[in-house]
Amino acid sequence: DIVMTQSPDSLAVSPGERATINCKSSQSVLYSSNKKNYLAWYQQKPGQPPKLLIYWASTRESGVPDRFSGSGSGTDFTLTISSLQAEDVAVYYCQQYYSTPALTFGGGTKVEIK
Amino acid sequence: QVQLVESGGGVVQPGGSLRLSCAASGFSFSNYAMHWVRQAPGKGLEWVTVISKDGSNKYYADSVKGRFSISRDNPKNTLYLQMNSLRAEDTAVYYCARDYGYATGTYMVYWGQGVLVTVSS
Repeated sequence: DIVMTQSPDSLAVSPGERATINCKSSQSVLYSSNKKNYLAWYQQKPGQPPKLLIYWASTRESGVPDRFSGSGSGTDFTLTISSLQAEDVAVYYCQQYYSTPALTFGGGTKVEIK
Repeated sequence: QVQLVESGGGVVQPGGSLRLSCAASGFSFSNYAMHWVRQAPGKGLEWVTVISKDGSNKYYADSVKGRFSISRDNPKNTLYLQMNSLRAEDTAVYYCARDYGYATGTYMVYWGQGVLVTVSS
């Protein structure tokens, strides 16, 4: 199985500042034939189910604010929140779907307000 | 709007069985693959199983293979998870989730609120 490793485990950011979350896969999730990275990001607020934010590593899901962006390719990926808002306090997870059907998630990164 | 509503959770003894259901509405259920994903208390997300749109293909995480069984009833818009030989480590909130596509599983576009399964004597 592809192992997904996120860093840091948690971070505290001041309102309006940038938050950066990293995700590394144990093998490339870039499919050579279509040049797509098979990686998604989710946000999970306390007491709620996860919510899809980004897929294909950088495509924002409909309705997701544009302060959320995804980047990276191959084995290294980043989720950036450009200007942190109070409502962005949550745990964020990456997930690979390259090795479907054996889907795997990262361990999660907790984002808090400083 | 899309709704996924899980039911059937509860407390069960080790070695026991439980069947979860997920009632879907707001989309064409028979056109999409469906997943179960679980989350142990205070822990991260773990993919459990996926079923293709017509039920012909089913895949499981190694941790549940041979013990859990996924199925669906498309006319009833309902997804199921039969859990046998339950262990303490199966204690988790179980989420039903709709896939982006119809086959072996990609990313999860919609999620239910989850149902708690507690395995304890």
